[in-house]
Amino acid sequence: KNQVEQSPQSLIILEGKNCTLQCNYTVSPFSNLRWYKQDTGRGPVSLTIMTFSENTKSNGRYTATLDADTKQSSLHITASQLSDSASYICVVSDANAGKSTFGDGTTLTVKP
Amino acid sequence: DAGVIQSPRHEVTEMGQEVTLRCKPISGHDYLFWYRQTMMRGLELLIYFNNNVPIDDSGMPEDRFSAKMPNASFSTLKIQPSEPRDSAVYFCASSLETGDSGELFFGEGSRLTVL
Repeated sequence: KNQVEQSPQSLIILEGKNCTLQCNYTVSPFSNLRWYKQDTGRGPVSLTIMTFSENTKSNGRYTATLDADTKQSSLHITASQLSDSASYICVVSDANAGKSTFGDGTTLTVKP
Repeated sequence: DAGVIQSPRHEVTEMGQEVTLRCKPISGHDYLFWYRQTMMRGLELLIYFNNNVPIDDSGMPEDRFSAKMPNASFSTLKIQPSEPRDSAVYFCASSLETGDSGELFFGEGSRLTVL
């Protein structure tokens, strides 16, 4: 069964600090992995997509990495801002059915 | 484009009542998805359409739930009769690409509370 596990479940950091969120998956065969940001009371918004051949991809202060061998991805946030407070959801798609499996998300709180 | 538009944003109803949630996808997107989000289960895919045709409704919890897409710019998710356990945020999303492996553009959600 395809699964996506995210850690930690929640995280509190001070403004300006860096943090790293983890995503482990068992989805096979792998198609792509996306990180979504969901602000409170809003719908999720895509931050980045990783395909099999990509190891690192950046979007501003967000950097995603992918290790397809160990089936792990991380999302690194640099110099956090209060507006980074949100839930970050990892979504992995399989190459056969084109279906996606959602992680439960990591809730990040950035405090001043 | 205004993005995916959902209505109502909030709905409070009593058990047994019919609930209809509405969605307008982004123009030109061929795929439309309905998701349900709860604290316990996260985001769950209920059903998705391709070119107005339902492709996969295996996530629809039971016969009380039904979804339609009469044209490319409108979809509804109906719950009849509603139950307290249906309380959740329901998201509509649209996509250009095959299945839900493409980038999903979500609406702001409809928060449903069934008393």
